[in-house]
Amino acid sequence: DVVMTQSPLSLPVTLGQPASISCRSSQSLVHSDGNTYLNWIQQRPGQSPRRLLYKVSNRESGVPDRFSGSGSGTDFTLKISRVEAEDVGVYYCLQGTHWPLTFGGGTKVEIK
Amino acid sequence: EVQLVESGGGLVKPGGSLRLSCAASGFTFRNAWMSWVRQAPGKGLEYVGRIRTKTDGGTIEYTSPVKGRFIISRDDSENTLYLQMNSLRTEDTALYYCVTGAYWGQGTLATVSS
Repeated sequence: DVVMTQSPLSLPVTLGQPASISCRSSQSLVHSDGNTYLNWIQQRPGQSPRRLLYKVSNRESGVPDRFSGSGSGTDFTLKISRVEAEDVGVYYCLQGTHWPLTFGGGTKVEIK
Repeated sequence: EVQLVESGGGLVKPGGSLRLSCAASGFTFRNAWMSWVRQAPGKGLEYVGRIRTKTDGGTIEYTSPVKGRFIISRDDSENTLYLQMNSLRTEDTALYYCVTGAYWGQGTLATVSS
């Protein structure tokens, strides 16, 4: 199985400051169709998860543009340009290239 | 508006069975690959399995922890996804989510305990 390794585990951030989460995969996430199926999932406290980004950098409808994704191959990053209070929660990367689909362990974003 | 509403969770003894359902609306269900993802209390997310559309062959895939014990099925006439869970173990205790694309349900809790 593809192992997804996220860092850091916990990320205390000051409101209005940027935040960055890293996700590394144990093998390339480039699919045979040429796409890279790397998603970012947000889970706010007490809520269901929701997908923020798909195929590395594509934002879902309604996701603020302060969220951005980048990376290629095995190395990916989620950036929040200016953290707001509503961004508190756990963020997971999810690879959709290889079965079984696998999640990273999660990064907890909290306000300092 | 896309809605995924899970039901069927509850308390069951080890070795028992549960059948979860996911009622879908707001999109063309028969054209959607559907998945089950679970989350043990206080833990991260784990894929359980997925089912393709009939057009894509209807293939069903499971992850190792549940293979041979869980069965995923779909009823396109009723816009409903199912998860039949047999030979349940304490480690199957989790909130089970129905997922398609960007959309997640609210989850249904299955608790396996004696």
